Amino acid sequence: DQQVKQNSPSLSVQEGRISILNCDYTNSMFDYFLWYKKYPAEGPTFLISISSIKDKNEDGRFTVFLNKSAKHLSLHIVPSQPGDSAVYFCAAIGSSNTGKLIFGQGTTLQVKP
Amino acid sequence: DTGVSQDPRHKITKRGQNVTFRCDPISEHNRLYWYRQTLGQGPEFLTYFQNEAQLEKSRLLSDRFSAERPKGSFSTLEIQRTEQGDSAMYLCASSLSLPALYGYTFGSGTRLTIV
Repeated sequence: DQQVKQNSPSLSVQEGRISILNCDYTNSMFDYFLWYKKYPAEGPTFLISISSIKDKNEDGRFTVFLNKSAKHLSLHIVPSQPGDSAVYFCAAIGSSNTGKLIFGQGTTLQVKP
Repeated sequence: DTGVSQDPRHKITKRGQNVTFRCDPISEHNRLYWYRQTLGQGPEFLTYFQNEAQLEKSRLLSDRFSAERPKGSFSTLEIQRTEQGDSAMYLCASSLSLPALYGYTFGSGTRLTIV
């Protein structure tokens, strides 16, 4: 049972444009959502998080939007840079006691110069 | 603070052998997690420690797997009688008590290949 889904395996955008990565979830009890970026041969790196009581959180070029009624969140990167090319994972906190993360399958972003 | 360290980075072993991985978390982090990632998938939760106590184990963690965190510092993950399906990237992460706000810090992982 895939509780967190990223239905687009890959995305390609031009440098300077907006990148929009999408994520859907099934469990309405999730409290927090996080986005991670992963380069090859490295561990995932934390990017940004959002509480379920908010609908938007912004940090520099990265903004996460949460639509609770649709059980959908998205990560916007503006402007996109070639160094943003990586695999992006959406994750939800599955248990507030343990902080256990439930990850989506990932979306590979390629930003072309 | 050098981040989360994992050793070894790569391990190739024959089916049926035992393997042990080590994770050194960020020193002030009291929470430590092990995840497993296979090709094309996101990391999957294996187990969680708060200080030295192992508080949760996934159903993915069969009885061939055991994890320890003596004295609440480094952690080891041992796989006994390895099988082909154990081939994966094993990731360790640590966090403070509010991972929702600050996320985890992951290590670079140990890539296990069973031949």
